[in-house]
Amino acid sequence: GAVVSQHPSRVICKSGTSVKIECRSLDFQATTMFWYRQFPKQSLMLMATSNEGSKATYEQGVEKDKFLINHASLTLSTLTVTSAHPEDSSFYICSARVRTLSDTQYFGPGTRLTVL
Amino acid sequence: GENVEQHPSTLSVQEGDSAVIKCTYSDSASNYFPWYKQELGKRPQLIIDIRSNVGEKKDQRIAVTLNKTAKHFSLHITETQPEDSAVYFCAAGSSASKIIFGSGTRLSIRP
Repeated sequence: GAVVSQHPSRVICKSGTSVKIECRSLDFQATTMFWYRQFPKQSLMLMATSNEGSKATYEQGVEKDKFLINHASLTLSTLTVTSAHPEDSSFYICSARVRTLSDTQYFGPGTRLTVL
Repeated sequence: GENVEQHPSTLSVQEGDSAVIKCTYSDSASNYFPWYKQELGKRPQLIIDIRSNVGEKKDQRIAVTLNKTAKHFSLHITETQPEDSAVYFCAAGSSASKIIFGSGTRLSIRP
């Protein structure tokens, strides 16, 4: 149980375009989802916390107008990278927590974004 | 906010020997400390976690210890095997909140 999927797994886009990444919890309802970014050989950096039905909470330094997060249902959260630039190229990973006050986060397989 | 430091950044041990990775955290309110293993290009996999109401937890070859007073926690892998080679991340956080990751340790097992 506790499977999280992400789509797409890999995307290449031109500079200036927008890219949407989907994160789904397949066999459970996720009240909270998290979005991380990971550059090569670096740690996972939390970008934002997404609660179903409410606005996402962004970490300091993360532009909320550039990284749009929507958590429309208990099984789906989306991250849209708007007007992507080469420096946005990274590995984006989501995670989902099973329920409120539960600690364990289950991670999606990640999406590798390359902006040309 | 929470800050998690992890050492060492790289670790090479002989197959069969033990490996120890150490982390410290800054926020005394943190009560949840998971450890993740990540292979190249793949998602982090939870390997063990510990909550603040216990000082030690063991699962086969893997053990984690927690010293809340000193804000230290450590991962111990015994009888290391080639498949243990990966990047390991510690993290700290609290229930119903976020977790912050350490910088990672690249563990290599020498045959």
